[in-house]
Amino acid sequence: KQEVTQIPAALSVPEGENLVLNCSFTDSAIYNLQWFRQDPGKGLTSLLLIQSSQREQTSGRLNASLDKSSGRSTLYIAASQPGDSATYLCAVNTGFQKLVFGTGTRLLVSP
Amino acid sequence: GAGVSQSPSNKVTEKGKDVELRCDPISGHTALYWYRQSLGQGLEFLIYFQGNSAPDKSGLPSDRFSAERTGGSVSTLTIQRTQQEDSAVYLCASSPRSDTQYFGPGTRLTVL
Repeated sequence: KQEVTQIPAALSVPEGENLVLNCSFTDSAIYNLQWFRQDPGKGLTSLLLIQSSQREQTSGRLNASLDKSSGRSTLYIAASQPGDSATYLCAVNTGFQKLVFGTGTRLLVSP
Repeated sequence: GAGVSQSPSNKVTEKGKDVELRCDPISGHTALYWYRQSLGQGLEFLIYFQGNSAPDKSGLPSDRFSAERTGGSVSTLTIQRTQQEDSAVYLCASSPRSDTQYFGPGTRLTVL
């Protein structure tokens, strides 16, 4: 059974810092991996999707990497801003059309 | 364009009552998913619809839960004889194919 773990569970940083969020999964047979952000009381917003054949994806200040063989992904956020404060979730698509989510990292960026 | 919409946004019900939660996917998206987000449990898959194929119901926690998708568009998740452990945020997502999923804002269900 696929299990997804995210570390740390919570992170508090001052504005401007670069930071890394970690995601690990137990079964490397994945179709793709997706990073989402969730704001309080809101749904999920897709940030980046990495196909199993890819190593990384970039969007603006965000960069996500994937090492399928070791079961790891990282989300790098450059020059963090208070507006980045949210919960970040990674989710693995095992190919059976349902995502297996991690428990998330709660990020707080202070001005 | 319009995203995934869900109604109601909040629902408070008494234990034992039935509830219906509605999801309007993005127009043209063939795939539709329901997830549940419980406090301390994270997000868990419930059910998946793809076109006219039989739905994947493998995530439904009990036979009190059911879902249908009419005309390949709107979906309704029904919970019969609600229990307190059913309290959660129910999220719907749609996808143009089996790739990026676009989520709605969710319905927060509270069972008293």
